[in-house]
Amino acid sequence: TQLLEQSPQFLSIQEGENLTVYCNSSSVFSSLQWYRQEPGEGPVLLVTVVTGGEVKKLKRLTFQFGDARKDSSLHITAAQPGDTGLYLCAGGTDSSYKLIFGSGTRLLVRP
Amino acid sequence: SQTIHQWPATLVQPVGSPLSLECTVEGTSNPNLYWYRQAAGRGLQLLFYSVGIGQISSEVPQNLSASRPQDRQFILSSKKLLLSDSGFYLCAAGWGQGIYEQYFGPGTRLTVT
Repeated sequence: TQLLEQSPQFLSIQEGENLTVYCNSSSVFSSLQWYRQEPGEGPVLLVTVVTGGEVKKLKRLTFQFGDARKDSSLHITAAQPGDTGLYLCAGGTDSSYKLIFGSGTRLLVRP
Repeated sequence: SQTIHQWPATLVQPVGSPLSLECTVEGTSNPNLYWYRQAAGRGLQLLFYSVGIGQISSEVPQNLSASRPQDRQFILSSKKLLLSDSGFYLCAAGWGQGIYEQYFGPGTRLTVT
């Protein structure tokens, strides 16, 4: 059974601080997605990474796919209260129509 | 662009009553469709998925069922709700296999009393 473990589960930081969220697995994925979800809403796709070692930037967010395509990280620089939410990683494989979701990291950025 | 519609947005139902949640997709045809349930502040539990009309795969044994009567319509049903069915239900659509994204609807908050 493929699993994605996210850490930390919860993070509370002050505005302006940097943070990193991790998504780890013992399995290889052909793609990995990151989503952000706000309370009472559906998750919104932030990025997809497909190549080992790939780095993508979205404003203050930097996403990296591990060289072996088993792990990924999300780094936020100078966090803002608008970054508050639940961050979910999800992995896909060539043999499946399903995504494997991590359990999520709840981020609170205090003004 | 793809838009996923879900209704109702919120629902309060007594134990033992039936359930019908609907999801429709705008945009590219032949989507793969998914029903997830999410406990408060946690990750997503896949309930059902469908790769075509009338094709349903169940991931978790439960008293829920799903149907796909049309290409872009996905329905989640129950004949008799349990308290444990309460939660946030999300419909998602994706295209392809392996390297693809899923797009989510706004969700339905179900409270079983």
